[in-house]
Amino acid sequence: AQRVTQPEKLLSVFKGAPVELKCNYSYSGSPELFWYVQYSRQRLQLLLRHISRESIKGFTADLNKGETSFHLKKPFAQEEDSAMYYCALSGRPTPLRLVFGAGTILRVKS
Amino acid sequence: DAGVIQSPRHEVTEMGQEVTLRCKPISGHDYLFWYRQTMMRGLELLIYFNNNVPIDDSGMPEDRFSAKMPNASFSTLKIQPSEPRDSAVYFCASSLGRAGAKGEQYFGPGTRLTVT
Repeated sequence: AQRVTQPEKLLSVFKGAPVELKCNYSYSGSPELFWYVQYSRQRLQLLLRHISRESIKGFTADLNKGETSFHLKKPFAQEEDSAMYYCALSGRPTPLRLVFGAGTILRVKS
Repeated sequence: DAGVIQSPRHEVTEMGQEVTLRCKPISGHDYLFWYRQTMMRGLELLIYFNNNVPIDDSGMPEDRFSAKMPNASFSTLKIQPSEPRDSAVYFCASSLGRAGAKGEQYFGPGTRLTVT
């Protein structure tokens, strides 16, 4: 079964501190992994996907197939990073059925 | 484009009443998704359509839930009868082609449903 686990409901860090939002997945195959973000009073939106290997707003995420993880990282947190973050997985046989984790609230304190 | 449009934005109803949530996808998008967001379970896919046809409704929790897409620009999610445990935020999303499988699903603002 496809499953995404985000172990932390809330992560609170100080501005300038490093951030790591954890995501582990369960999938027997080669999934596609994504991070979505929902800022206060805004729509849920795609932040980044593993296949693009890109850095968005200073965030990066590396797919570790051995550990079945896709942690989201940023070296220096900013207050505007405060939001809800969802990790999601897409895989066969239903690639359009995105499976989301429960989400992690990131709070960046000044 | 205004993006995905959902109405109402907030709905408060009493247990046992019928609730209808509405969604207008982005023009030209051929996939439409309904999600439910709760504190306990996070974001769950309920059903999705392709070219107005329901493709996968395995996430629909029970027979009290039904969804329709009579045309390319409109979809409804109905709950009849509603129960307090249906209280959640319901999101509609749309995508173009198979891009939805690459994460490119565009979400609406959501409808916050409260059933008392």
